[in-house]
Amino acid sequence: AQSVSQHNHHVILSEAASLELGCNYSYGGTVNLFWYVQYPGQHLQLLLKYFSGDPLVKGIKGFEAEFIKSKFSFNLRKPSVQWSDTAEYFCAVRMDTGRRALTFGSGTRLQVQP
Amino acid sequence: DVKVTQSSRYLVKRTGEKVFLECVQDMDHENMFWYRQDPGLGLRLIYFSYDVKMKEKGDIPEGYSVSREKKERFSLILESASTNQTSMYLCASSHDRVHGYTFGSGTRLTVV
Repeated sequence: AQSVSQHNHHVILSEAASLELGCNYSYGGTVNLFWYVQYPGQHLQLLLKYFSGDPLVKGIKGFEAEFIKSKFSFNLRKPSVQWSDTAEYFCAVRMDTGRRALTFGSGTRLQVQP
Repeated sequence: DVKVTQSSRYLVKRTGEKVFLECVQDMDHENMFWYRQDPGLGLRLIYFSYDVKMKEKGDIPEGYSVSREKKERFSLILESASTNQTSMYLCASSHDRVHGYTFGSGTRLTVV
């Protein structure tokens, strides 16, 4: 079965540090890729998405992600994190199998210390 | 803004009860989804629907059913609640493949 892996379960950073969260998927066909964020006590929100074209996509709040097809990866990055980035981050993939639903990774909890 | 509203934020039910979780969206979206969110497991798809009266099983449908009698409403039903169904339940909707999901705030269900 197709799957999405987020290997970093809990990341602790100091403010101004750089962030990279890994996301890998196991599917050889065409994919649409998403990153969602869930701030404490809030609902999930879309950070960014990739459908086609430039593999480097920019999202809200200074986040970006790079799609590397050969590595089946879609890692999330931010050059300098802030305390307000403390949240849980989920990678999600839609595969061209005909199913319209997203498959989510297990999530990465980011804690930014002031 | 699209709103996805889940009727209850917190629910406590007894083992064996039949439980209804309601979800309503206000932007005429065709697609609606139910996920459960558990620590360390992320979001797992229970059921989804592309249209009224249409439903498809997700990855973990056992012990659940759904109903979509109207386009804006998608209900999740726990036929006989069990303690292993204690979880956060998230409803989402989408218009098409391009625009990702809009999520509700979730219902935290505890089965005792």
